Amino acid sequence: LAKTTQPISMDSYEGQEVNITCSHNNIATNDYITWYQQFPSQGPRFIIQGYKTKVTNEVASLFIPADRKSSTLSLPRVSLSDTAVYYCLVDPQDNYGQNFVFGPGTRLSVLP
Amino acid sequence: SQTIHQWPATLVQPVGSPLSLECTVEGTSNPNLYWYRQAAGRGLQLLFYSVGIGQISSEVPQNLSASRPQDRQFILSSKKLLLSDSGFYLCAWSHTDLPQHFGDGTRLSIL
Repeated sequence: LAKTTQPISMDSYEGQEVNITCSHNNIATNDYITWYQQFPSQGPRFIIQGYKTKVTNEVASLFIPADRKSSTLSLPRVSLSDTAVYYCLVDPQDNYGQNFVFGPGTRLSVLP
Repeated sequence: SQTIHQWPATLVQPVGSPLSLECTVEGTSNPNLYWYRQAAGRGLQLLFYSVGIGQISSEVPQNLSASRPQDRQFILSSKKLLLSDSGFYLCAWSHTDLPQHFGDGTRLSIL
């Protein structure tokens, strides 16, 4: 199983762009990179998923370099409501997801 | 669109009592279903997953069991709760090759 490493916590201010980097040195060829957001007392919410290069949706961008050993979640112009824990996962999509490993995630605090 | 429901949202149970948590999914068929537990300030630990009715796989030895009596229903049970069973329990669904989607969880406190 590919292990991920991400910062335990980050602080930012409203309106800034936030970049959270995740390392996954042992990523396999079939693995996708998936990011989730979790608020207190709620289940994780899917944010974005990618395989290589850049993926963008209405809430975030995901940058994956050619070697795929890391990825960066980019949140544009964060607001107070973006304060949450963000999880990076390596997702072996050729199985049933039973090998999901959620680490402690990155606790993002957005300050006014 | 697909939705996932978990209940109850919170539960306080005495040690030694039984447990039944229910999860249902709407708007899809034959989903993969999962039960996770999350300790305070920690990541999620996969407890059980199911790829079909009556098919349950356990990831860790424990005091809990799971059942899938219907295609879109997943139940987490215990005959006798322990203090260590306290935590935040999350149900999730997915289809192969797609991300998992989580319910809002049940916070279980054992007294």
